[in-house]
Amino acid sequence: DAGVIQSPRHEVTEMGQEVTLRCKPISGHDYLFWYRQTMMRGLELLIYFNNNVPIDDSGMPEDRFSAKMPNASFSTLKIQPSEPRDSAVYFCASSSGAEGSDTQYFGPGTRLTVL
Amino acid sequence: KNQVEQSPQSLIILEGKNCTLQCNYTVSPFSNLRWYKQDTGRGPVSLTIMTFSENTKSNGRYTATLDADTKQSSLHITASQLSDSASYICVVGVLNSGGYQKVTFGTGTKLQVIP
Repeated sequence: DAGVIQSPRHEVTEMGQEVTLRCKPISGHDYLFWYRQTMMRGLELLIYFNNNVPIDDSGMPEDRFSAKMPNASFSTLKIQPSEPRDSAVYFCASSSGAEGSDTQYFGPGTRLTVL
Repeated sequence: KNQVEQSPQSLIILEGKNCTLQCNYTVSPFSNLRWYKQDTGRGPVSLTIMTFSENTKSNGRYTATLDADTKQSSLHITASQLSDSASYICVVGVLNSGGYQKVTFGTGTKLQVIP
């Protein structure tokens, strides 16, 4: 398996533009997580899905952020409109089985820079 | 408020030496505790996962301990190697009322192993 795949790896955009980050989880995994990492705040969980259904989106910072999982092999995180403070590395992770004890596998991340 | 504190913030050790990283948490009700290793520019990689009933778990040269009474965990690295240079993140999970997990991240310890 290729692991969790994220695209793009780097994204530079201007304030106000729409940004879409993409994730393909490991095949067979039924949990998918979106994280954000910054120097100031460290790693933060934004939202996670179980069997394509959003379970907890309490970490989504505001309405400008939205996430979807239309099928078991694809998820998107959209920011519209983007702001400079959204600049961060966004990670997608997936896991299978019992949520509390299973290993999460992280993708390589998307480094987002909003000018 | 659920918090996870890690110490030290950063650490430099000589190759071949041992070291111990600390994680104290106030998270409740406790579900599990994970240690991740994150190389610069990459996604975190899971090292260990421990539930309430486990007090030690090893993964090669990495050994994690958990004291659920004092709410402390440590990650011991034996015979350090240059490739151990990374950030180490402690993550504590709780089960919310819906039976799903919420996580709290520590800010990490940045370890540098020098020749």
